[in-house]
Amino acid sequence: GAGVSQSPSNKVTEKGKDVELRCDPISGHTALYWYRQSLGQGLEFLIYFQGNSAPDKSGLPSDRFSAERTGGSVSTLTIQRTQQEDSAVYLCASSRAGNSETQYFGPGTRLLVL
Amino acid sequence: AQRVTQPEKLLSVFKGAPVELKCNYSYSGSPELFWYVQYSRQRLQLLLRHISRESIKGFTADLNKGETSFHLKKPFAQEEDSAMYYCALLNTGGFKTIFGAGTRLFVKA
Repeated sequence: GAGVSQSPSNKVTEKGKDVELRCDPISGHTALYWYRQSLGQGLEFLIYFQGNSAPDKSGLPSDRFSAERTGGSVSTLTIQRTQQEDSAVYLCASSRAGNSETQYFGPGTRLLVL
Repeated sequence: AQRVTQPEKLLSVFKGAPVELKCNYSYSGSPELFWYVQYSRQRLQLLLRHISRESIKGFTADLNKGETSFHLKKPFAQEEDSAMYYCALLNTGGFKTIFGAGTRLFVKA
């Protein structure tokens, strides 16, 4: 079946602009994760959604970052007033349930803030 | 603090040579540990997890709680093993997965 999809694949924006990144998880997967992959930094956990529970936002780096998940499916990560240090690859992953289930990753969105 | 350390950014070996990618973790409880791999132009994907005690593509990893390590090993490296490898820790009872910075493995012909 179809895997996790993300859009756009690449995004170039100017400092100070807002951006929205989209993630479509695998159908039926209740858990959804956002990560940030910066050069030489590995993957940084941002936020986790599980079903209808309140999301775990503990990894969001600042209040400029927010995420929603509508109808338990599609998720949008929004970065307001982008800064150059926000430049990174943003990865989305989903799993059948939370906790120790295998995470399936999307191709990522490469964000460049000029 | 929970932390995953992969001390080598780049590891280069010859085809047929043994390979060991190091991973050390810091966690006060009983962690679940994983290795993820990202081949060129492909998505990040799970390679193996310690609770499964399995060998995938000839790779194995043993959890050593005394040394807080979860090194990934393969006795005979192949060119197709060239990829980026990430060690990851899942805190039990939670959902946050902590990844290391990754090690790029390059297997030379």
